[in-house]
Amino acid sequence: AQSVTQLGSHVSVSEGALVLLRCNYSSSVPPYLFWYVQYPNQGLQLLLKYTSAATLVKGINGFEAEFKKSETSFHLTKPSAHMSDAAEYFCAVSGDQFYFGTGTSLTVIP
Amino acid sequence: DGGITQSPKYLFRKEGQNVTLSCEQNLNHDAMYWYRQDPGQGLRLIYYSQIVNDFQKGDIAEGYSVSREKKESFPLTVTSAQKNPTAFYLCASSPWRSTDTQYFGPGTRLTVL
Repeated sequence: AQSVTQLGSHVSVSEGALVLLRCNYSSSVPPYLFWYVQYPNQGLQLLLKYTSAATLVKGINGFEAEFKKSETSFHLTKPSAHMSDAAEYFCAVSGDQFYFGTGTSLTVIP
Repeated sequence: DGGITQSPKYLFRKEGQNVTLSCEQNLNHDAMYWYRQDPGQGLRLIYYSQIVNDFQKGDIAEGYSVSREKKESFPLTVTSAQKNPTAFYLCASSPWRSTDTQYFGPGTRLTVL
């Protein structure tokens, strides 16, 4: 079975600061890993996807994530936060079905 | 443009009434999913379908029903047996396998009055 754990349900950063959202996974097989973003009252939008082709995955809006097998982690980063990055972020792992984390709400302080 | 549509955006229901949420996709995807989202609880899988005329219960199927008569459509009925139906409902689709990326519709917010 697979599962994901997102550390920190709320994260606040200043505009221009580094964004780091943490995700750890559990999987008995090589996983597919995803990050999604959700703006208020909207559906989820795919940010990026790891499929074993490369450990560093670049996504949309300047986000990227690094797959670290030894740490079973897939943390999401962005070098410089923008006000428009304020949203809910979900990590997910796929196997027999999709498993979503409980989400991290990102606040960007002007 | 290809995508997933959900209607209505907002829905109000009186207690004891059944209500059906629409989900349509023109991506030619085989698999479709329904999730429920409550604050602080992430997404919980209600039902999913990998092929027309077949569907499986997810983690919280009680009080819900679905049908998959056409590849493009996967409507969800929230029945009166669902004791706490107020939530945000999300429909998704993926090309085929469970490892495939899921693409989401804009969601329907259901409120029970």
